[in-house]
Amino acid sequence: AQTVTQSQPEMSVQEAETVTLSCTYDTSESDYYLFWYKQPPSRQMILVIRQEAYKQQNATENRFSVNFQKAAKSFSLKISDSQLGDAAMYFCAYRNSFGNEKLTFGTGTRLTIIP
Amino acid sequence: NAGVTQTPKFQVLKTGQSMTLQCAQDMNHNSMYWYRQDPGMGLRLIYYSASEGTTDKGEVPNGYNVSRLNKREFSLRLESAAPSQTSVYFCASSEILGGSEAFFGQGTRLTVV
Repeated sequence: AQTVTQSQPEMSVQEAETVTLSCTYDTSESDYYLFWYKQPPSRQMILVIRQEAYKQQNATENRFSVNFQKAAKSFSLKISDSQLGDAAMYFCAYRNSFGNEKLTFGTGTRLTIIP
Repeated sequence: NAGVTQTPKFQVLKTGQSMTLQCAQDMNHNSMYWYRQDPGMGLRLIYYSASEGTTDKGEVPNGYNVSRLNKREFSLRLESAAPSQTSVYFCASSEILGGSEAFFGQGTRLTVV
């Protein structure tokens, strides 16, 4: 079974600075997707960014980018120019590419933005 | 476009009572999920339905049952609620393709006393 590990329960960053959230995963599959979801205090789950394992290039969405290291099974999220609205729980998630597989989440990292 | 609708948003149960959490999606998704969220535990999968008529156990299925009534609806039933089932419950749906975004309901905060 696939597992997702987030080793940082809490992180904080000064506004306008850069922060990196870590995620590692375990799988025997070669083709899969990785995701970062954001959960603000409203509890709504919001997709931040996704990465396909077969793509060499790291995904980027505006101030959010990932560092995907397939051999190391590592998938970190970098937030640049942190804003107060980035304060939230961040969850890393995994899903196989084929076979209509389930979506597996890590335990989350609570990010605090310091004004 | 409503997306994923969960009801109720809040519920207090006494130990031993039963209840059903309702979930409906209007995006014609095949896959639907029920998760529970507890502090420090992240989102843990309770049950999963890959398509209408199929359900599979997730990581924490004990004490729960599910019904995939049709393609739109996926309900979660607690037959005899226990304090350990106090949690926030999320329903989600997605397309079959692995890279598809999962869409979530607003969550149900359940307290069992």
